[in-house]
Amino acid sequence: NAGVTQTPKFQVLKTGQSMTLQCAQDMNHEYMSWYRQDPGMGLRLIHYSVGAGITDQGEVPNGYNVSRSTTEDFPLRLLSAAPSQTSVYFCASSYSNGANVLTFGAGSRLTVL
Amino acid sequence: DQQVKQNSPSLSVQEGRISILNCDYTNSMFDYFLWYKKYPAEGPTFLISISSIKDKNEDGRFTVFLNKSAKHLSLHIVPSQPGDSAVYFCAAPSRGGSEKLVFGKGTKLTVNP
Repeated sequence: NAGVTQTPKFQVLKTGQSMTLQCAQDMNHEYMSWYRQDPGMGLRLIHYSVGAGITDQGEVPNGYNVSRSTTEDFPLRLLSAAPSQTSVYFCASSYSNGANVLTFGAGSRLTVL
Repeated sequence: DQQVKQNSPSLSVQEGRISILNCDYTNSMFDYFLWYKKYPAEGPTFLISISSIKDKNEDGRFTVFLNKSAKHLSLHIVPSQPGDSAVYFCAAPSRGGSEKLVFGKGTKLTVNP
């Protein structure tokens, strides 16, 4: 099993450009989510999904869009990149029962110039 | 308003000694707590959890203690090994559902040989 796969691992954007961070999981997990990690800030939830076709906002959703058309995929779109979106992004997934033990991807490091 | 707080950004211990990482929380309604471990350039990995109805959970060298009256939990690592050097995050399910976790800012543990 590959677990949670994120692409790309690194990306540099100019202010105003758009891009999509890809996330795929092969564990048939119902829950998927995106977090960002900034120095001294821990991990903060951007968007999450409890199943295909269902998404909702987390703590820091502004500037990001998501969709969940399949159980496996949960892409994160930056519509118009800003320097404040420079961060490391983690996708995570879990089953819907019991304690929510997230399985994380390896992360995508994004720099916006 | 940070619901989960880790007030020590870093901790350094000698190999073989005990490492104690601390976490405070503000929401007495959390059902459970989790600890994650993160190495550089990797995603966080689940380490250990504890239900709010327990005061201790042990898994090998790792033990988590929960003091509900003080709204405090701690992770003990005994004996500490150089491979334990990583950033440790405590987390809890956010209000509204276990599909969303709130994380502390993390504590960087360094175990010196």
